[in-house]
Amino acid sequence: NAGVTQTPKFQVLKTGQSMTLQCAQDMNHNSMYWYRQDPGMGLRLIYYSASEGTTDKGEVPNGYNVSRLNKREFSLRLESAAPSQTSVYFCASSEPLGGSMFWGSYEQYFGPGTRLTVT
Amino acid sequence: AQSVTQPDIHITVSEGASLELRCNYSYGATPYLFWYVQSPGQGLQLLLKYFSGDTLVQGIKGFEAEFKRSQSSFNLRKPSVHWSDAAEYFCAVGEMKTSYDKVIFGPGTSLSVIP
Repeated sequence: NAGVTQTPKFQVLKTGQSMTLQCAQDMNHNSMYWYRQDPGMGLRLIYYSASEGTTDKGEVPNGYNVSRLNKREFSLRLESAAPSQTSVYFCASSEPLGGSMFWGSYEQYFGPGTRLTVT
Repeated sequence: AQSVTQPDIHITVSEGASLELRCNYSYGATPYLFWYVQSPGQGLQLLLKYFSGDTLVQGIKGFEAEFKRSQSSFNLRKPSVHWSDAAEYFCAVGEMKTSYDKVIFGPGTSLSVIP
C-alpha cells in the first residue's frame, strides 16, 4: 500500500516548456486534489476532482489543466510554464465520511511533492 | 470568507520544553479543524482533527489541540518536545460544500528544536 505517489520528484523547466505531473493513489478514494505550496502562503488548491469523471477549478487554476484518467490517477499539466509557477506541487486524495453529507470532514492524504523550478 | 491564521511564522524551543502553536480561524458555522505536520522534503501528515464533541482532541506523536469557539482558536500543544518534532505545522479548516471537500490551510509555523 503505497498511499499517494507523485512523479517526478524534481523538475527544472525553461519558460514556455510544457510538462505533466503524475499522481496516483491506491486507497480507492473518490476525491483527488492538486495544491501548490509557496513560502508563507500555505497550500493553495489548483484543481480538484470530486469523483472519477469530474474536475473543477480551485483557487489558483490559471496556467494549469488536469485530467482524471481513472479513479486512481489525476495528472496536472502546465502547457506553457512561467517563472511564477515555480513551486512545490502536492497531490492529495480523500474519501468523505458518510458521503456527500460530510464534505470537508475527512482527512486528506498527501503525496511527497514535486519541486518545480521554471527559469 | 473562510480564513486561517497562524500568528507565529517561526518558533524555536529547547528539547524537553513544552510547545504551543497558535491557530485562529474565521468561519461562520461549526468548523472542521485539522493540524498537519510536514517534515522536510515530505508531504503533509495529519496530526489530529476536530469535528464535534470533546473540545480537547488527542493526536499522534503526543500532540493535542483544544477547540475554543469563543476565541475561534484551535491551538496545538505538546508537553515535551523531541528533536524529531522539528518540522512545519499547518492548521486547516474544512468547509462543507455540495460539490467537493474544501480545506483552507494556514500559512504554517516552522518549528526548530534546540538539543
